[in-house]
Amino acid sequence: DAGVTQSPTHLIKTRGQQVTLRCSPISGHKSVSWYQQVLGQGPQFIFQYYEKEERGRGNFPDRFSARQFPNYSSELNVNALLLGDSALYLCASSLEGFGGSIGGTDTQYFGPGTRLTVL
Amino acid sequence: DAKTTQPNSMESNEEEPVHLPCNHSTISGTDYIHWYRQLPSQGPEYVIHGLTSNVNNRMASLAIAEDRKSSTLILHRATLRDAAVYYCIPMDSNYQLIWGAGTKLIIKP
Repeated sequence: DAGVTQSPTHLIKTRGQQVTLRCSPISGHKSVSWYQQVLGQGPQFIFQYYEKEERGRGNFPDRFSARQFPNYSSELNVNALLLGDSALYLCASSLEGFGGSIGGTDTQYFGPGTRLTVL
Repeated sequence: DAKTTQPNSMESNEEEPVHLPCNHSTISGTDYIHWYRQLPSQGPEYVIHGLTSNVNNRMASLAIAEDRKSSTLILHRATLRDAAVYYCIPMDSNYQLIWGAGTKLIIKP
């Protein structure tokens, strides 16, 4: 089985532009989470989606948005890019997400990430 | 949300056991404790999780203190491929997952 895939692997944008990052979860997984990881820090939670519904949102501005499609793939959009948005964006898939019946036992499987550089 | 405290870095010799500590004194009674690791230039990968009792799998063992305020990840025989940043993450159903900076494990050949 293929693991979590993300595209593109690298991206360079300029301030003020908009970017869309894509994620395909593991087959059978219905939940996708997005994280931002700045160099030298742990991942920061942005969103979690399950069955196309937003299940959770981290402390990020409204410039960040996401959606999940019927095939469970997901897109993360960031508008009006700032220099501080430069980071590794990670997507993780899981069976149900943390609000599901298996709750805190759900395991996340991460993709390799998209490295976004904002100039 | 429960907060965690981990050492910034640890060193160990190859083929020796490694004990990675984590303090999570504000953990609630239903929070599972998960450990993930992140190898250089890769996304994080799951290592192990537990609630109250000690847990073992093919990668590692997790020892959870009786009061659940701390836990220790045990790698029984570290190899060079175990060099990574190890994250201790209490997980609950509030959908907000707060990762700390983790412990950078350095394995010396």
